[in-house]
Amino acid sequence: GAGVSQTPSNKVTEKGKYVELRCDPISGHTALYWYRQSLGQGPEFLIYFQGTGAADDSGLPNDRFFAVRPEGSVSTLKIQRTERGDSAVYLCASSLTAGQGTGELFFGEGSRLTVL
Amino acid sequence: GQQVMQIPQYQHVQEGEDFTTYCNSSTTLSNIQWYKQRPGGHPVFLIQLVKSGEVKKQKRLTFQFGEAKKNSSLHITATQTTDVGTYFCAGRSGGSNYKLTFGKGTLLTVNP
Repeated sequence: GAGVSQTPSNKVTEKGKYVELRCDPISGHTALYWYRQSLGQGPEFLIYFQGTGAADDSGLPNDRFFAVRPEGSVSTLKIQRTERGDSAVYLCASSLTAGQGTGELFFGEGSRLTVL
Repeated sequence: GQQVMQIPQYQHVQEGEDFTTYCNSSTTLSNIQWYKQRPGGHPVFLIQLVKSGEVKKQKRLTFQFGEAKKNSSLHITATQTTDVGTYFCAGRSGGSNYKLTFGKGTLLTVNP
């Protein structure tokens, strides 16, 4: 596709449930990022992939959060035992390459997660 | 860890007035990027600054990177209603080359 695609655009779930959020980056982009944005806040870094491997997962808040990118393209963010505090917009971004001095991020429209 | 702070949090101006937002990092940055997010939208890349003291212009927008590479600013001359949105700075530090840390942003509203 022309841009970064995220599904679902909206997800409402109950506390304690498991959710998966999908990101399809721009074709050919090797770097993929997940951010979380709460209302009135800036995007909060969660995890970054270079190819298939998680190069930096220091932003994942706890072990309920996990992300994969098995073939170096599509990525899935997985959240177990969801809590109300997980409610936010989850943004995915990709860039052509990553490294110092490069890496304009192209963001998707986001997946809005609401935990009741 | 690295922190990026932005001020002001909000700015309301009359159309035609100038606007400036400031960004400060707790650590020296290797580069800094600026993004704009329209209400209900996603962040869109504006520019990247890499060199100490660098100044770049895009029409009515002027971006500066401080000499110490710890601060940056975005100045908009003669604001228009199309400038409405939240402006974020995002920095990379030498210790984490790939993680881009965003500030909380400055929400700009313009009264026509």
